[in-house]
Amino acid sequence: AAGVIQSPRHLIKEKRETATLKCYPIPRHDTVYWYQQGPGQDPQFLISFYEKMQSDKGSIPDRFSAQQFSDYHSELNMSSLELGDSALYFCASTSGTGNTEAFFGQGTRLTVV
Amino acid sequence: AQSVTQPDIHITVSEGASLELRCNYSYGATPYLFWYVQSPGQGLQLLLKYFSGDTLVQGIKGFEAEFKRSQSSFNLRKPSVHWSDAAEYFCAQEYGNKLVFGAGTILRVKS
Repeated sequence: AAGVIQSPRHLIKEKRETATLKCYPIPRHDTVYWYQQGPGQDPQFLISFYEKMQSDKGSIPDRFSAQQFSDYHSELNMSSLELGDSALYFCASTSGTGNTEAFFGQGTRLTVV
Repeated sequence: AQSVTQPDIHITVSEGASLELRCNYSYGATPYLFWYVQSPGQGLQLLLKYFSGDTLVQGIKGFEAEFKRSQSSFNLRKPSVHWSDAAEYFCAQEYGNKLVFGAGTILRVKS
């Protein structure tokens, strides 16, 4: 069965550079969530989209932005990268909003040097 | 504020022994609760979930969890642990259509 696809799996960037992370949800899923998991930390919610509109916002820095496209894939854009942005970034998708099981991708490991 | 507490940061059990990982939630009369497992460098895999109904929930890989409203708990159990169960386990609660995770419990299995 198709799962949530994230690309790239690994990314190394220098400070002050930009990065774009992509997430392709499970087919027919219309809701996408982004989570950030720092080293030794639990995943923290960043932002979510439902039907291409932002549905909720968590602890996402102003340097980050995201959107969901017409094919429901989502991109997380990160600018002016800082060392502290090094983390595993997860995308999850569901069908509809609320009370449903979120399927997670394998994550993108971003390392800022 | 909503929070999910996993009191044990690390747990070590012998292979074949039973396991219980603790989780307490702090929000909601009818919480939606999940347990995820994460192997090193990997994504989160759903083990089981509780939405309503029977308070004893069966999951994959032989895991089960019991929802106890009186204790605000959703502890994960397995009767006999295998070496391949070594991983980090996260309890999570749905809050406002997103998941709030506990800090995780790292399970080590000794042979």
